[in-house]
Amino acid sequence: AQRVTQPEKLLSVFKGAPVELKCNYSYSGSPELFWYVQYSRQRLQLLLRHISRESIKGFTADLNKGETSFHLKKPFAQEEDSAMYYCALSPSGANSKLTFGKGITLSVRP
Amino acid sequence: DVKVTQSSRYLVKRTGEKVFLECVQDMDHENMFWYRQDPGLGLRLIYFSYDVKMKEKGDIPEGYSVSREKKERFSLILESASTNQTSMYLCASSFQGANTGELFFGEGSRLTVL
Repeated sequence: AQRVTQPEKLLSVFKGAPVELKCNYSYSGSPELFWYVQYSRQRLQLLLRHISRESIKGFTADLNKGETSFHLKKPFAQEEDSAMYYCALSPSGANSKLTFGKGITLSVRP
Repeated sequence: DVKVTQSSRYLVKRTGEKVFLECVQDMDHENMFWYRQDPGLGLRLIYFSYDVKMKEKGDIPEGYSVSREKKERFSLILESASTNQTSMYLCASSFQGANTGELFFGEGSRLTVL
């Protein structure tokens, strides 16, 4: 069975500081990894997926199979980045059946 | 723009009551999911469905059942609500096929069981 671990519950940084939200996973096969975000009073939505290798809102995430990690990074945090972030895993070909981590609250202070 | 609509945003029920949570999507998605979201526990999958009249248990199906009579509608049923089912319930849908992983979520239904 797969597992997603987000070791921290809360990260508080000042505006302009770098951000790294940690995600580790456990899965024996080749997974697909995702980051989802939920802004205050908004729906949970996809932020980015490892297969796209893209930067969204300045965020990037690299899949490190050796360390089984998929950390989310942004060099300069903005106040509008404050939200709840969830890391999620889907076994390859599993048709969007995602396993989510427990989530982390990012708070960016002015 | 994909729309997933959960009919009830807030519900208050008493222990033992039967509860129906309705979810409708308008993008002809094959897959539909019910998660519950609890602080400190993240999202946990209750049930999912890849087709009409088809359902599969997720990680925490106990105390819940589902119904999918039409492609666009996926209902979550609590046969006899208990206080430990007080939670935020999220419905989601997605296209079928590999390498998708993009779930479209509803706004959530916050259920309180007294």
